[in-house]
Amino acid sequence: ETGVTQSPTHLIKTRGQQVTLRCSSQSGHNTVSWYQQALGQGPQFIFQYYREEENGRGNFPPRFSGLQFPNYSSELNVNALELDDSALYLCASSTRLFQETQYFGPGTRLLVL
Amino acid sequence: QQQVKQSPQSLIVQKGGISIINCAYENTAFDYFPWYQQFPGKGPALLIAIRPDVSEKKEGRFTISFNKSAKQFSLHIMDSQPGDSATYFCAASKYGGSQGNLIFGKGTKLSVKP
Repeated sequence: ETGVTQSPTHLIKTRGQQVTLRCSSQSGHNTVSWYQQALGQGPQFIFQYYREEENGRGNFPPRFSGLQFPNYSSELNVNALELDDSALYLCASSTRLFQETQYFGPGTRLLVL
Repeated sequence: QQQVKQSPQSLIVQKGGISIINCAYENTAFDYFPWYQQFPGKGPALLIAIRPDVSEKKEGRFTISFNKSAKQFSLHIMDSQPGDSATYFCAASKYGGSQGNLIFGKGTKLSVKP
């Protein structure tokens, strides 16, 4: 086990709604990245947070936003949900910025109807 | 577009056989190449990783072979076991680039038959 937890495990939302997904990293892991994994695909980088500030973003629109808190927890928020947002959302933490080794949580499976 | 291309999409191997999964990358700036193992309902777990200054790295039954000139790397699973049945992802990243985010291949679903 990586010590990274995510909640909820599953979620069903309707198109146009907003969703908040949560991640709790291990103590001392001050860097968290979020990935979207569509069915049958590899994870795609959404963004990374370091010391509570966004520190890099992939090719995702601004309706994907995040927060990181001092207690090593973080959130992924998605506004105006679209059907294509249905995916497994993974958070991954590491002990420092630019450390390649990332420890993934089990993910939150989001279904948008 | 940075890409990591992975093959095959699926693989069936008999117990005790060798499983081989291949990846090719485009960006010569990549300097870290991990392999992740993912079981259904779980997040990816780091299996083994290599940097381009070595051509091979072995950890137990898992070996990464790296060919810098061909921009290819592969995962070999020796003595494959039914418990190895999972989806395997190769990935690549550049230290400090895009804040170190991983670029993943599309995955290979491995089935090891008893």
